[in-house]
Amino acid sequence: GENVEQHPSTLSVQEGDSAVIKCTYSDSASNYFPWYKQELGKRPQLIIDIRSNVGEKKDQRIAVTLNKTAKHFSLHITETQPEDSAVYFCAASRTGGFKTIFGAGTRLFVKA
Amino acid sequence: DTAVSQTPKYLVTQMGNDKSIKCEQNLGHDTMYWYKQDSKKFLKIMFSYNNKELIINETVPNRFSPKSPDKAHLNLHINSLELGDSAVYFCASSQGDFRNSPLHFGNGTRLTVT
Repeated sequence: GENVEQHPSTLSVQEGDSAVIKCTYSDSASNYFPWYKQELGKRPQLIIDIRSNVGEKKDQRIAVTLNKTAKHFSLHITETQPEDSAVYFCAASRTGGFKTIFGAGTRLFVKA
Repeated sequence: DTAVSQTPKYLVTQMGNDKSIKCEQNLGHDTMYWYKQDSKKFLKIMFSYNNKELIINETVPNRFSPKSPDKAHLNLHINSLELGDSAVYFCASSQGDFRNSPLHFGNGTRLTVT
């Protein structure tokens, strides 16, 4: 069945450093890859997404890359700040699938 | 205005009881979902509805019965609650699967079964 693997499960960085989270998906028909941020006790919220016809997308300090051949996609956060501390989820879905499959999450700690 | 609202926020009950969670969205979306988030934060889809019709039932025990009276509402009724049902349940909506749009989550219902 469909599966999304996410690494690492925990990531600790110093404020100002970069953070990278990597995901792999199994369903080759997947064509939409959103990333969600979940702060403690809150709901997951979309921070950036990428579609399969694009290899890279950037929004200020956040960027996502997609390698369709390898079925890999990654989240890059530059100049990390303490408020970036949260759990980040990668996800994948395909047109007509009516479901979004989530990775297991990465708990990011940014130390001031 | 809250886009996706679900009630109650907290639910504490005993094993064997029956309980319901309600969800409403005012985004005009035609697809709604229930997700379960366990203690390890893993988010797993339970059900998806499109235009009030059940599309996905992801091998959820039949003690869980969703109902969608209209496109803006999706409720979840759980019979004979078990300890393992303790989790946070998130309702979500999206514009529709054929446009690959992101999920908008409610604030979650933390269910504790004792």
